[in-house]
Amino acid sequence: DQQVKQNSPSLSVQEGRISILNCDYTNSMFDYFLWYKKYPAEGPTFLISISSIKDKNEDGRFTVFLNKSAKHLSLHIVPSQPGDSAVYFCASGPGANNLFFGTGTRLTVIP
Amino acid sequence: SQTIHQWPATLVQPVGSPLSLECTVEGTSNPNLYWYRQAAGRGLQLLFYSVGIGQISSEVPQNLSASRPQDRQFILSSKKLLLSDSGFYLCAWHPPAGQETQYFGPGTRLLVL
Repeated sequence: DQQVKQNSPSLSVQEGRISILNCDYTNSMFDYFLWYKKYPAEGPTFLISISSIKDKNEDGRFTVFLNKSAKHLSLHIVPSQPGDSAVYFCASGPGANNLFFGTGTRLTVIP
Repeated sequence: SQTIHQWPATLVQPVGSPLSLECTVEGTSNPNLYWYRQAAGRGLQLLFYSVGIGQISSEVPQNLSASRPQDRQFILSSKKLLLSDSGFYLCAWHPPAGQETQYFGPGTRLLVL
């Protein structure tokens, strides 16, 4: 049973526009939420995280929003750049040592 | 700084052959260590995790096994590979305390023919 879901397998966005990647989780006990970015044939790299006590965390062009009542997490990339093209994994769990990953969303930023 | 290594990077093996993938971490002590698999079109599935030498927890039943012979070494093995074992295998580490993220290695792509 998938505890973290990314329902959009792919997303295409024009360069300079906003990319919005979505993620849903099922366990209300999850306290830690992360986004990873993965290029082909490489391991995922940590992008940004948020804890359950916050509803927004911003790092440069990347902002993660958390809606605990809806069990929904989103990643906004503004402005999108071609180098952002990758697979983005959402992960969640009771802690960073116990994470459940989504199936990923492939983002393509079109120049 | 901490680094994580995996080898080999790519492996092509026949069905029924054995497997040994190695993961080592540098620059930290007593890390939590993880093996994940990413199968085609699927997310990251946790296979094993370890909180210390000789301590292995298995998340899914399978024909794979893991061992941790040293503090910073994690090995994924199989006695007889199946076609369904093909995938991208990722090792990750996490500090034993604190809310930091898991850090992933470069991965091993395994193709079982």
